[in-house]
Amino acid sequence: DAGVTQSPTHLIKTRGQQVTLRCSPKSGHDTVSWYQQALGQGPQFIFQYYEEEERQRGNFPDRFSGHQFPNYSSELNVNALLLGDSALYLCASRPPGRRNPYEQYFGPGTRLTVT
Amino acid sequence: GENVEQHPSTLSVQEGDSAVIKCTYSDSASNYFPWYKQELGKGPQLIIDIRSNVGEKKDQRIAVTLNKTAKHFSLHITETQPEDSAVYFCAASKAAGNKLTFGGGTRVLVKP
Repeated sequence: DAGVTQSPTHLIKTRGQQVTLRCSPKSGHDTVSWYQQALGQGPQFIFQYYEEEERQRGNFPDRFSGHQFPNYSSELNVNALLLGDSALYLCASRPPGRRNPYEQYFGPGTRLTVT
Repeated sequence: GENVEQHPSTLSVQEGDSAVIKCTYSDSASNYFPWYKQELGKGPQLIIDIRSNVGEKKDQRIAVTLNKTAKHFSLHITETQPEDSAVYFCAASKAAGNKLTFGGGTRVLVKP
């Protein structure tokens, strides 16, 4: 049973560029959340997708956007990259409400470096 | 919004000793409190969790306690082993599958 997978593993971008990160949820999971983890800090919630719609959003600017596909996979897009966007971007998935909806499982993350 | 504080930020223990990490939360509506272990270069791994209708939960060498009145919860690791060395995060959320608010993390080093 594959867990949450993310691609790419590492990415280097220049200020002002745009980036797309990808996530495939754990098998049987239908809800995907994205988190940003700066070095030495805890993850911070960006947004959550369920049924291809953004359901919750954290305190992040509109430069951060996302998408969920019918197969439950998701993308995180960041426009006009800033140096401060350098971080580990984590994807988490959870099972449908009829199963244990509390537990969220994280992928290995994508390390984004903005120069 | 919810705020979660975690202490200590670093913890060094001798192999075989116990380790305790404490967290406080601000929003009394929070009802789910997971703990994650993050090893270098990996994503957070869920190790144990507790819901607000339970005061204590144990899974082999790890246990979590919750005091709703004081709004704090703790992770206890007994008989620590070198493989327990990692960064541990506490988190809180208000509902099933809701966003998680994380503490700042505790770097645990178990010395052989």
